[in-house]
Amino acid sequence: AQSVTQLGSHVSVSEGALVLLRCNYSSSVPPYLFWYVQYPNQGLQLLLKYTTGATLVKGINGFEAEFKKSETSFHLTKPSAHMSDAAEYFCAVSDPGGAAQKLVFGQGTRLTINP
Amino acid sequence: DAGITQSPRHKVTETGTPVTLRCHQTENHRYMYWYRQDPGHGLRLIHYSYGVKDTDKGEVSDGYSVSRSKTEDFLLTLESATSSQTSVYFCAISPGQVSTDTQYFGPGTRLTVL
Repeated sequence: AQSVTQLGSHVSVSEGALVLLRCNYSSSVPPYLFWYVQYPNQGLQLLLKYTTGATLVKGINGFEAEFKKSETSFHLTKPSAHMSDAAEYFCAVSDPGGAAQKLVFGQGTRLTINP
Repeated sequence: DAGITQSPRHKVTETGTPVTLRCHQTENHRYMYWYRQDPGHGLRLIHYSYGVKDTDKGEVSDGYSVSRSKTEDFLLTLESATSSQTSVYFCAISPGQVSTDTQYFGPGTRLTVL
């Protein structure tokens, strides 16, 4: 069974600082990987995803993530945090062979930006 | 934004009562999903649909049933609500490229079972 672990339920950084949100997965086959963001009182929206090809994936709002198969990781980074990045971030995986996209989510990381 | 609405947006009910949540889409997407979101658990899949009248169970389906009689509507029913079903429920849709799809989420329904 697939599982996702996000290290740190809360991360706090200063405005302008590097953002690093960690995601490790457990899967019997290399999965497809996703990062979603949830702003307060809203649904989730896709930041970026890795399916095949280049392992460094660029997403919206200046975020990027790198798929490292040897480390079973898909960490999310942004070089310079902005106040508007404050939100909850979810890493998710899906089985490439599935009949539907049954996403398995991590527990989420709440990102706080300090002025 | 994808055209997804959920109703009601908030509901308070009592233990043992039936509850139905509705997800409505205007995108004509094939796949629809119901998740629940709980602190410390992220989102967990309850049920999903891959077409009209075609549904299957997810990770946490016990106590829930679903129906899809039209492409645009996906209903989630709690036959007899329990306090453990207090949660925020999200509907999602995707066009149908299966594993590489982007799922688009609705605004959520906050359900409280007293």
